[in-house]
Amino acid sequence: GIQVEQSPPDLILQEGANSTLRCNFSDSVNNLQWFHQNPWGQLINLFYIPSGTKQNGRLSATTVATERYSLLYISSSQTTDSGVYFCAVAFYNQGGKLIFGQGTELSVKP
Amino acid sequence: EAQVTQNPRYLITVTGKKLTVTCSQNMNHEYMSWYRQDPGLGLRQIYYSMNVEVTDKGDVPEGYKVSRKEKRNFPLILESPSPNQTSLYFCASRKSGANVLTFGAGSRLTVL
Repeated sequence: GIQVEQSPPDLILQEGANSTLRCNFSDSVNNLQWFHQNPWGQLINLFYIPSGTKQNGRLSATTVATERYSLLYISSSQTTDSGVYFCAVAFYNQGGKLIFGQGTELSVKP
Repeated sequence: EAQVTQNPRYLITVTGKKLTVTCSQNMNHEYMSWYRQDPGLGLRQIYYSMNVEVTDKGDVPEGYKVSRKEKRNFPLILESPSPNQTSLYFCASRKSGANVLTFGAGSRLTVL
């Protein structure tokens, strides 16, 4: 079946460290998004990135569609970066439905 | 402010007591959807609606009903809630043909 796998499942960082989160998917996609869920449960869209690279402040994302993976980079992490990061994809043969990975839980310590 | 509003945000109920979680958006979006979030499973789609009077099942529709009588509203109905429906629920919407979903703040439901 269709798979969206994120790694690592958990990550603990010291403030100021950098990190890379990975999302692998099993088929061609026409939509890929990264979300941050803050400790209060709110889901915030970080990037819409079906291919290529985008940057927004300390965050950047790269999707290599031909190799079926996406990376989210967090530089100079801050405690406010803590939470769960989700990758969500829509596959061409699934009518645009977003399918979420299991998430990476990030904890940034002061 | 453009937003998706869910109510209630928190609810504790008992098995078998019918409940409705409301979802309303003020962005004139055609597409609306409900997801549930469970530990280790990410978010899974329950139902979605492409437009008024058009609804379809997602991946985990059992035990839920929806309706789309107006464009702005997409309520989630649990006719006879059971403990396995204890979860965090999200409503989301987007413009037809758009790529990015806007999510509500979530509704945490506990069924005892």
